[in-house]
Amino acid sequence: DAKTTQPPSMDCAEGRAANLPCNHSTISGNEYVYWYRQIHSQGPQYIIHGLKNNETNEMASLIITEDRKSSTLILPHATLRDTAVYYCIVRVGGPPLIYNQGGKLIFGQGTELSVKP
Amino acid sequence: GAGVSQSPRYKVAKRGQDVALRCDPISGHVSLFWYQQALGQGPEFLTYFQNEAQLDKSGLPSDRFFAERPEGSVSTLKIQRTQQEDSAVYLCASSYQAGGGPKTQYFGPGTRLLVL
Repeated sequence: DAKTTQPPSMDCAEGRAANLPCNHSTISGNEYVYWYRQIHSQGPQYIIHGLKNNETNEMASLIITEDRKSSTLILPHATLRDTAVYYCIVRVGGPPLIYNQGGKLIFGQGTELSVKP
Repeated sequence: GAGVSQSPRYKVAKRGQDVALRCDPISGHVSLFWYQQALGQGPEFLTYFQNEAQLDKSGLPSDRFFAERPEGSVSTLKIQRTQQEDSAVYLCASSYQAGGGPKTQYFGPGTRLLVL
């Protein structure tokens, strides 16, 4: 799975959009971009994923550049409860190609987002 | 419905002591994962079960770490002769999919282990 690079920390004002960047310059054609977040003292939580088209769900939007070497997670109206560490993960999507590999996730260090009043 | 639960939530052990950490996955979930998260770091994969079969244990750091899921539901992660470097949060995740697709993994709150 390709490696990702994220800034270690970011601040955002409550009610404003939070834009979290991720670089994945070695991404392969069959690898998806996944975003998870981890609120303090909780386990990671899936947010969104995409292959090459932009995606939106009830939690966030994902913008992937045309060359797929970077992406941005957008929280359109950040709240205090969005304060968390956000992880960008790149991996082959769907069921694993190798039966016994499972769907293990390879996390980096993530971006610590602080939403301030 | 109930999510993934882990017990104990906190464990303090003396160096050299054996510990057992329990994970109760969501009912019916086929896949179960264990991850280790050191302070300030992202979670790192330890091992993976599909039902009772341990299909991947490539992340276990040493032979002091042992995991089991004998009936394909509850899992136990055992650490023998604990060392200070074992201090971390141990996370369990489960998925209804065989293979456990990334989108469908549900994590528990973790067990925070401190080895003195």
